[in-house]
Amino acid sequence: GAGVSQSPRYKVAKRGQDVALRCDPISGHVSLFWYQQALGQGPEFLTYFQNEAQLDKSGLPSDRFFAERPEGSVSTLKIQRTQQEDSAVYLCASSSTGTSGGNEQFFGPGTRLTVL
Amino acid sequence: DQQVKQNSPSLSVQEGRISILNCDYTNSMFDYFLWYKKYPAEGPTFLISISSIKDKNEDGRFTVFLNKSAKHLSLHIVPSQPGDSAVYFCAASGDALNFGKGTSLLVTP
Repeated sequence: GAGVSQSPRYKVAKRGQDVALRCDPISGHVSLFWYQQALGQGPEFLTYFQNEAQLDKSGLPSDRFFAERPEGSVSTLKIQRTQQEDSAVYLCASSSTGTSGGNEQFFGPGTRLTVL
Repeated sequence: DQQVKQNSPSLSVQEGRISILNCDYTNSMFDYFLWYKKYPAEGPTFLISISSIKDKNEDGRFTVFLNKSAKHLSLHIVPSQPGDSAVYFCAASGDALNFGKGTSLLVTP
C-alpha cells in the first residue's frame, strides 16, 4: 500500500523483556517521527529523523528507548527492559519535508504495546 | 506541561447541525496548527491546517479559525454527519507536532 505501515500491530511483553517496533514510511518521505500515545491522551513526540540522521530525540522518556533509521527508510523503535508504564500505542508518522511549515504528517495505524 | 489543550473531552451534536471543537495553546512561537481525525484502531489522519499568519481556512464542510491574541483555535464542521464521529486532535507545529488530548465527537442521526 501507499501509506505508513507498522508492525506488529499488537505486542504483549512481560516486564523486563526487550521489544522492537517497526515502521515503514511512505516511500520517498524524508522525515520520520515516533510518538507515544497513552490511554486517553494525545500523541506525544518521542524522536525525529531526517533521512538517516536522528535530529531530535528529546522526547525519549529514558535511555531504555532507542530508535534507528540506518538507511533512511525503515525505522525501528527499541525498548529495552520494558516496564508497565511503557504500555501505550506507538505511532509512526512520515512527511515529505522537514518539521517546519505545518507539513502534513501521515500516520501509521500504530503498535499497541501492553507490558504485563 | 501541556502546550496544547482541548478542554472538552467529548461533544455530541445532531446530524445536520454545526460541530465546534475548541483548542487553546500557550506557546506563541507555534507557526502552524493542524487538526487530525482519528477512528478507533487507526492512526490519526490529517484534516485541515492553518498558518499562524491567517485567521481562517476553509475546506468543504470544515473551517478552522485562529485567534492569535487569544491563543485559541476552533474547528467548525457544518453540516455534521454521522461519519464525522471520531476523536479530533488539535496539533501545533513547532519542531515537532504538539497534540492536545483530543475531543470525541458523536454525531447522532
